[in-house]
Amino acid sequence: GAGVSQSPSNKVTEKGKDVELRCDPISGHTALYWYRQSLGQGLEFLIYFQGNSAPDKSGLPSDRFSAERTGGSVSTLTIQRTQQEDSAVYLCASSLPGGGGQPQHFGDGTRLSIL
Amino acid sequence: RKEVEQDPGPFNVPEGATVAFNCTYSNSASQSFFWYRQDCRKEPKLLMSVYSSGNEDGRFTAQLNRASQYISLLIRDSKLSDSATYLCVVNLKAERDSGGGADGLTFGKGTHLIIQP
Repeated sequence: GAGVSQSPSNKVTEKGKDVELRCDPISGHTALYWYRQSLGQGLEFLIYFQGNSAPDKSGLPSDRFSAERTGGSVSTLTIQRTQQEDSAVYLCASSLPGGGGQPQHFGDGTRLSIL
Repeated sequence: RKEVEQDPGPFNVPEGATVAFNCTYSNSASQSFFWYRQDCRKEPKLLMSVYSSGNEDGRFTAQLNRASQYISLLIRDSKLSDSATYLCVVNLKAERDSGGGADGLTFGKGTHLIIQP
């Protein structure tokens, strides 16, 4: 079956611009996570959605970052007024219901470069 | 003490050898544990869950030591294709739990393994 799909694969933009990243989870996976990974670093948790519950936003690094999940499926991560330190790979993962206790399936990621 | 710690390596191991590495965690209330594999510039992929009684999948064996708060991964008869970064994941929630937030979900920074011909 289809895995987690993320778009775009790569995004290059100028500092100060807004960017929107998209994640389409595996069908039937109600849990969805966003992470970012800087070069040579570990995964940094950003936000977690579970069904219709309020998202866990505890990992968002600043108020420039926001995410939505419409209809319990597709999610978009928006970064406003991008900064060079936002350059990273942004990974989305989905899983069966669970607060991280279920194995996660990752998309290929979006490689974001801020000039 | 960091929540989840791994030796970053790299571990340089000859093909065919056995290699093992650990991941320590600080929260004794942790309930679920996983090993993921991440190839260079690729996304992490689940390798195996780690169960209390220990579990094996082919050449891979995972174990949990709650008393000393670490999990381990052992790879037997290593192959060139095993070269990757191995990430451990620790979570306060058990697999059967649902709802709530992602509190306690922590990825280690990974152990880099290089299998040499």
